[in-house]
Amino acid sequence: QQQVKQSPQSLIVQKGGISIINCAYENTAFDYFPWYQQFPGKGPALLIAIRPDVSEKKEGRFTISFNKSAKQFSLHIMDSQPGDSATYFCAARAGAGSYQLTFGKGTKLSVIP
Amino acid sequence: GAVVSQHPSWVICKSGTSVKIECRSLDFQATTMFWYRQFPKQSLMLMATSNEGSKATYEQGVEKDKFLINHASLTLSTLTVTSAHPEDSSFYICSANRQGQGNEQFFGPGTRLTVL
Repeated sequence: QQQVKQSPQSLIVQKGGISIINCAYENTAFDYFPWYQQFPGKGPALLIAIRPDVSEKKEGRFTISFNKSAKQFSLHIMDSQPGDSATYFCAARAGAGSYQLTFGKGTKLSVIP
Repeated sequence: GAVVSQHPSWVICKSGTSVKIECRSLDFQATTMFWYRQFPKQSLMLMATSNEGSKATYEQGVEKDKFLINHASLTLSTLTVTSAHPEDSSFYICSANRQGQGNEQFFGPGTRLTVL
């Protein structure tokens, strides 16, 4: 059972455009939603994270939008650059002392000049 | 801050040998670390949760006698792949949970294991 569904599987965006990756979850116990960026042959790097008490969080060109009622959250990359080309994973974690993350299947982003 | 290292970054071994991978949190203490396996173009698959001073908790389908995990200190967890076979070839990634505000999880750079 896939608890976090991520789409699209792959995404091609022109330089300067907006990249949007969506995730949906089922488990209402999830209370922490991070996004990770992974380059080939490297470990994932924490990009930005949000908790359900806010609807949006912005850090530089990266923004998370969160819709608690719809159980959906998304990553927006503004002014996308070729250096943003990577695989992005959304994740979710249940509260109450659990540290275990449930990952989406990933989105391969390609930003073309 | 929040740096996690792994050693080695890559290893090639013969079938039947054992390989140890180390995971260290360099600038914070981690009572909980995780070990993942990742196949090409796929997501991370959690293998086990490693708790300092206690036995690891393995995910369903992961052989605990084959993938030995030791978390002897607050900054070090090790994964030993025993009697490795070619099907164990994969990218192994550890992560460490930084306690406190956010309880963020930080990942190591990964170890590429190739079993001949």
